[in-house]
Amino acid sequence: AQSVSQHNHHVILSEAASLELGCNYSYGGTVNLFWYVQYPGQHLQLLLKHFSGDPLVKGIKGFEAEFIKSKFSFNLRKPSVQWSDTAEYFCAVNANRGSTLGRLYFGRGTQLTVWP
Amino acid sequence: GAVVSQHPSWVICKSGTSVKIECRSLDFQATTMFWYRQFPKQSLMLMATSNEGSKATYEQGVEKDKFLINHASLTLSTLTVTSAHPEDSSFYICSALGPGSGRYEKLFFGSGTQLSVL
Repeated sequence: AQSVSQHNHHVILSEAASLELGCNYSYGGTVNLFWYVQYPGQHLQLLLKHFSGDPLVKGIKGFEAEFIKSKFSFNLRKPSVQWSDTAEYFCAVNANRGSTLGRLYFGRGTQLTVWP
Repeated sequence: GAVVSQHPSWVICKSGTSVKIECRSLDFQATTMFWYRQFPKQSLMLMATSNEGSKATYEQGVEKDKFLINHASLTLSTLTVTSAHPEDSSFYICSALGPGSGRYEKLFFGSGTQLSVL
């Protein structure tokens, strides 16, 4: 079975600090990788995704993530966080097979708190 | 953007009663919906895949007789927790695949339902 590990449960930063949230997965085949964000009181939203190609992907709001296949990792980064980035961030994995479309396996989430 | 409405947002019930949670796609037709549950400080766990007009596909370890899923129309899937017990208390989230599946921009999530069983 697939599993997704997010190393940090709660991260607290000051505005303008750099952010890196770790995500590792366990699955030997080809995967699709995602980061979702959930702002307070809102739905889960897609932040960015990696299906194939360039291992460095850019998402909305200045976020990016790097897929390192040899390390089974897909860490999320942002060079300078803002107070409005306060949210919960979820890493998710999907086996790259058409029959499992939408069957995402999530990490436990990382709560990011940014102090102004 | 596309919206998935989940109702109720929270519910408290007595042990032994059944609770129904609705998931509606408001401005698109969703042939496939997914149900997740999340315990405090844990991952969202996929429970089942709901396909319109057919039986749901349950993940390993999820009791299909306890968590009844009905996807009777292209805009509505329901999850009924039957004979609920305190250990069923959890946060339940649905998601829906919009038309043209294959693009994850078209996977939309509901806002979740917090179930508390007394």
